[in-house]
Amino acid sequence: KQEVTQIPAALSVPEGENLVLNCSFTDSAIYNLQWFRQDPGKGLTSLLLIQSSQREQTSGRLNASLDKSSGRSTLYIAASQPGDSATYLCAVNAGNMLTFGGGTRLMVKP
Amino acid sequence: NAGVMQNPRHLVRRRGQEARLRCSPMKGHSHVYWYRQLPEEGLKFMVYLQKENIIDESGMPKERFSAEFPKEGPSILRIQQVVRGDSAAYFCASSRDRGGDSPLHFGNGTRLTVT
Repeated sequence: KQEVTQIPAALSVPEGENLVLNCSFTDSAIYNLQWFRQDPGKGLTSLLLIQSSQREQTSGRLNASLDKSSGRSTLYIAASQPGDSATYLCAVNAGNMLTFGGGTRLMVKP
Repeated sequence: NAGVMQNPRHLVRRRGQEARLRCSPMKGHSHVYWYRQLPEEGLKFMVYLQKENIIDESGMPKERFSAEFPKEGPSILRIQQVVRGDSAAYFCASSRDRGGDSPLHFGNGTRLTVT
């Protein structure tokens, strides 16, 4: 059974810092891994999708990496801004479903 | 191109009533997924449907819950005889292709409160 863990569970940083969110999964037989952002009371916004054959994806200030053999992914956020404050979710896709981690609650202070 | 549309956004039901949650996938998407987010818990898979077919319902409770995705119209998640433990946010997602071939896009969810 696939299990996804995200560390840390919560993170508070001053504006402008670069930061790394971690995601680990137990079963490396995945199709892809997707990072989402969830704002309080809202739905999920897809940030980046990395196929199992890829090592990383970049979008603006976001960079996600994938090491399938070790079951790890990281989301790097450069020059963080208060608007980045949200919960970040990692999800692995093994076919019919996504298995989500518990999320990292990020607070970026002005 | 509208995103995944869910309605209602908020739904209040008394114990024993029925709840119907609707989801219209993105244009061109024929794969629909339902997830549940219980208070202070992560998102859990419930069911995966393609037009007129349930592909995987391994995450759905065996009793009181059902889902459909008819040839015409939105996907419906139906909860009969609701109980307080059903209070949660229910999210629908859609994708163009099956499984790992394309990303899932999520709606804003329906927040069900059972009183």
